[in-house]
Amino acid sequence: EVQLVESGGGLVKPGGSLRLSCAASGFTFSSYSMNWVRQAPGKGLEWVSSISSSSSYMYYADSVKGRFTISRDNAKNSLYLQMNSLRDEDTAVYYCVGVLASDAFDIWGQGTMVTVSS
Amino acid sequence: DIQMTQSPSSLSASVGDRVTITCRASQSISSFLNWYQQKPGKAPKLLIYAASSLQSGVPSRFSGSGSGTDFTLTISSLQPEDFATYYCQQSYSTPWTFGQGTTVEIK
Repeated sequence: EVQLVESGGGLVKPGGSLRLSCAASGFTFSSYSMNWVRQAPGKGLEWVSSISSSSSYMYYADSVKGRFTISRDNAKNSLYLQMNSLRDEDTAVYYCVGVLASDAFDIWGQGTMVTVSS
Repeated sequence: DIQMTQSPSSLSASVGDRVTITCRASQSISSFLNWYQQKPGKAPKLLIYAASSLQSGVPSRFSGSGSGTDFTLTISSLQPEDFATYYCQQSYSTPWTFGQGTTVEIK
């Protein structure tokens, strides 16, 4: 079964840091690009960051550029998001998302909640 | 950045109704348009990719059409499990962007 499982969310103070992880299983992780997409409470979906299969290319939304870093470890079938200088507006559910069979976000994890609050 | 605008933002419909949701891109995106369904408390699910291709396992009552800047998602006969929020998303260029969502509610 193709599966993505996020972890690492929690409560953090403004200016703090958090590292999200995503464990992949059921597919050849190293062959596909991966993404983080977030959703603030009661709001729509916002793409955050993408990384190519071999980590050659990384892209970021302007809202997180310079603060967030996406990475992956293909040997561990894992995706990461290092989040620094967190702001109130980063509060959201963060989804790990794969692009496998189409040019679309076709595999989603269950999400992990990040709350930035003093 | 490419802006995606969905209409309507919400709609009320009955089981068996034909429902159409539209999505407009701020510039041409060819057929790089995808549709997702999200139910409360759940992750989104891919329904349609490349404007009109049905994702594996998705019921055939869902269909997509359009190219360039104007796209539609159609549910031919609304079922109880289809009450949800639907998002369009362009995969033409980064930053990948989503529409604001359309909530389909029970009339």
